[in-house]
Amino acid sequence: QVQLVESGGGVVQPGRSLRLSCAASGFTFRTYAMHWVRQPPGKGPEWVAVISYDGSHQSYSDSVKGRFTISRDNSKNTLYLQMNSLRVEDTAVYHCAGSSGNYFDYWGQGILVTVSS
Amino acid sequence: DIQMTQSPSSLSASVGDRVTITCRASQTISSSLNWYQQKPGKAPKLLIYAASTLQSGVPSRFSGSGSGTDFTLTISSLQPEDFATYYCQQGYSSLPYTFGQGTKLEIK
Repeated sequence: QVQLVESGGGVVQPGRSLRLSCAASGFTFRTYAMHWVRQPPGKGPEWVAVISYDGSHQSYSDSVKGRFTISRDNSKNTLYLQMNSLRVEDTAVYHCAGSSGNYFDYWGQGILVTVSS
Repeated sequence: DIQMTQSPSSLSASVGDRVTITCRASQTISSSLNWYQQKPGKAPKLLIYAASTLQSGVPSRFSGSGSGTDFTLTISSLQPEDFATYYCQQGYSSLPYTFGQGTKLEIK
């Protein structure tokens, strides 16, 4: 069955960096666009970034543009999110998600990132 | 960005009830509206895409309708496993995709 498993979260001070990973299995990873979607505690989801199936195109929300970088390694079925210059307002559960269209077919359970001094 | 507004924010209902949740977009989004179910501590699950197409494996008691700016999710006969939070999401035109604030469905 489809599995998306995030890792790399934790507690970090404002201004520091963190790298999230998402290991995919159970579907043809290389044919799906992949996203990061975050949920602040007790709130609804917020789309963060997307990368095309082959890694050639990326797009970001205004709130993370210039600070976060999405990438993928199709040989390892893995998605990444490099997060730099972290802010308190970046605190959230970060989900990776796969899409075959303008919706999210598959989701990971998420990993908590807490930015706090 | 396109704003999505759901109503109600919370809803109490009983097993067997028919329930309707609405979602309104701040501008027309054609039929590019998707619905998700999320249970505590779990990932969201796609229920309906393109406003009315049921995702594979989703029970037929779930249905969606609407186009333009106004959409509805209906559960025809609530089951115990349906108590969760529901989100709408628009996928119209260019990014960013945006979500509603959620509707928490609770047991009466």
